[in-house]
Amino acid sequence: EVQLVQSGAEVKKPGESLKISCRASGFSFTTHWIAWVRQMPGKGLEWMGIIYPGDYETTYSPSFLGLVTISADKSISTVFLQWRSLEASDSATYYCARGGPLTPSAWFAPWGQGTLVTVSS
Amino acid sequence: EIVLTQSPGTLSLSPGERGTLSCRASQSLTSSYLAWYQQKPGQAPRLLIYGASSRATGIPDRFSGSGSGTHFTLTISRLEPEDFAVYFCQQYDISPLTFGPGTKVDMK
Repeated sequence: EVQLVQSGAEVKKPGESLKISCRASGFSFTTHWIAWVRQMPGKGLEWMGIIYPGDYETTYSPSFLGLVTISADKSISTVFLQWRSLEASDSATYYCARGGPLTPSAWFAPWGQGTLVTVSS
Repeated sequence: EIVLTQSPGTLSLSPGERGTLSCRASQSLTSSYLAWYQQKPGQAPRLLIYGASSRATGIPDRFSGSGSGTHFTLTISRLEPEDFAVYFCQQYDISPLTFGPGTKVDMK
């Protein structure tokens, strides 16, 4: 079964760092793009960026460039999303989602279950 | 950046009725690079349609997609109780990939 399993909910304070994960199984991890998508409470979906674990090529949305870092570890079939200094406005649910095998421009299926990040003092 | 606009914002229907959801793009999408997703409360989005009209694996045939250029439509032929949800369109023609704001289908 093709599956993406994300790390659990996080509660952090402003200024703290955070790294959440997305473990892939059931498909070739190094030949599919994997994206991160943000969903703020009660809002829509925002594409943050995408990584190709085969060669670690990464593309970011201009809205998120410089604010987060996307990385991957082929040895454990896992993609990461990282913040150096969280802000309250980073409170959201973050989803990873599998993209296509050939291009970063594709639809997404399946999606991880989501990681809720709460940033509050 | 391609902006997607969805209408209506909310669609109130009864089980068994037909639902028609619209997604308009701010510029023409080449090769109909448009997908539709369904999201239920507390769940991750689920892919319904890709390539504007191709159903994803396991999606019932009451869901159909159509359109090209700047105007796309998702049609639910006969609403089942499990179809009440929010529906998002997504373009994957030009980076950054973008989503529409969603249409909520709720029970009349």
